Amino acid sequence: EIVMTQSPATLSVSPGESATLSCRASQSVSSNLAWYQQKPGQAPSLLILGASIRATGIPARFSGSGSGTEFTLTISSLQFEDFAVYYCQQYSNWPALTFGGGTKVEIK
Amino acid sequence: QVQLVESGGGVVQPGGSLRLSCAASGFTFGDFGMHWVRQAPGKGLEWVAMISFDGSDKYHADSVKGRLTISRDNSKNSLYLQMNSLTTEDTAVYYCARPSFTGGSGWFDPWGQGTLVTVSS
Repeated sequence: EIVMTQSPATLSVSPGESATLSCRASQSVSSNLAWYQQKPGQAPSLLILGASIRATGIPARFSGSGSGTEFTLTISSLQFEDFAVYYCQQYSNWPALTFGGGTKVEIK
Repeated sequence: QVQLVESGGGVVQPGGSLRLSCAASGFTFGDFGMHWVRQAPGKGLEWVAMISFDGSDKYHADSVKGRLTISRDNSKNSLYLQMNSLTTEDTAVYYCARPSFTGGSGWFDPWGQGTLVTVSS
């Protein structure tokens, strides 16, 4: 099973600033990585697939990068609706499609 | 559009049983491997189980092996999770999830609303 590790656990950012979230895999997952956003009381929603491809309807301020074991989600010019928890998920090694522990982006 | 609707959650005592259901629509259910993913209160997402498109192959996380069992009924477009010998550690929102690839891998989109299971005396 591939272990996914996200950092930091919490990120305090002011609206309008950018946020950089990290995700590390215990072994290479190539570009088989997705990012999700989850707001309180809601199910996760897909942001990024293939490490860098924005899902349908996702604003350009969300960008993903990386391959192999190191990945980054960057949110530029944070809007109030972007304050949420973000999860990465690998889909290189299945059936156990593992998730990172999450990064909470909170208002500074 | 793809829709997943989970049901069957509730409050159950430790050692008890529960059966979760997921009604799928908007896609050819029998073509896809399906998953259950759970989220304990205030915690992250945990993969629970996967079943192949025809039900012939089943995989479970070590944390639930022997207690939770995934199954499906393609004639009813439904996915199930039989939960036995429940412990407080099983308290979570349970989501059924369709992967992007029919074989069972890929990203999950969309997600259902989930169903809450609370194990408490």
